[in-house]
Amino acid sequence: AQRVTQPEKLLSVFKGAPVELKCNYSYSGSPELFWYVQYSRQRLQLLLRHISRESIKGFTADLNKGETSFHLKKPFAQEEDSAMYYCALSPFTFRGTGKLIFGQGTTLQVKP
Amino acid sequence: ETGVTQSPTHLIKTRGQQVTLRCSSQSGHNTVSWYQQALGQGPQFIFQYYREEENGRGNFPPRFSGLQFPNYSSELNVNALELDDSALYLCASSLDQGKTEAFFGQGTRLTVV
Repeated sequence: AQRVTQPEKLLSVFKGAPVELKCNYSYSGSPELFWYVQYSRQRLQLLLRHISRESIKGFTADLNKGETSFHLKKPFAQEEDSAMYYCALSPFTFRGTGKLIFGQGTTLQVKP
Repeated sequence: ETGVTQSPTHLIKTRGQQVTLRCSSQSGHNTVSWYQQALGQGPQFIFQYYREEENGRGNFPPRFSGLQFPNYSSELNVNALELDDSALYLCASSLDQGKTEAFFGQGTRLTVV
């Protein structure tokens, strides 16, 4: 079964504290993994994808195939990071559908 | 370059009725995907259209159907509405079957009473 699990519905940290949003996936092949973010009153947007191996807004995520995880990390949280974060998986298909399988989302709350 | 736009933003329908939701894809994008997001859940894939043909479908009954037009805009139709169809419906456009970034619309909030 193809599944994405985000075990925390809410993560609350103080400004300047490290952040780790957890994501585990279930997929037998080689998926592409993403983190999407939704700020208050804004639309869902891509934060980063594992194949890019880049840091966006100070966030990084490493794909760990052994643990089937793709945790999102930031060393020092900022108040503007407060948002809903979704981990998503795109399974490889011959026709390249590119559909996204989302986790339930984690609300990150950064307190001043 | 315009973004993905969806209409209407909100809609209230009665159980058993039919509804059509619309999506204009981002300029130059030939692929549109539809997602259903129930309250407190992540978006769930309904189906995708690529160059006017259905290109993949999630676990949704046949009363969920779609269409993509030559200008790549799209419609989602839901027949025989049920209370559980109440959700936020998201449209996402991308280039070439989703091989590049998917850009999401703001969604249509459907309430079935």
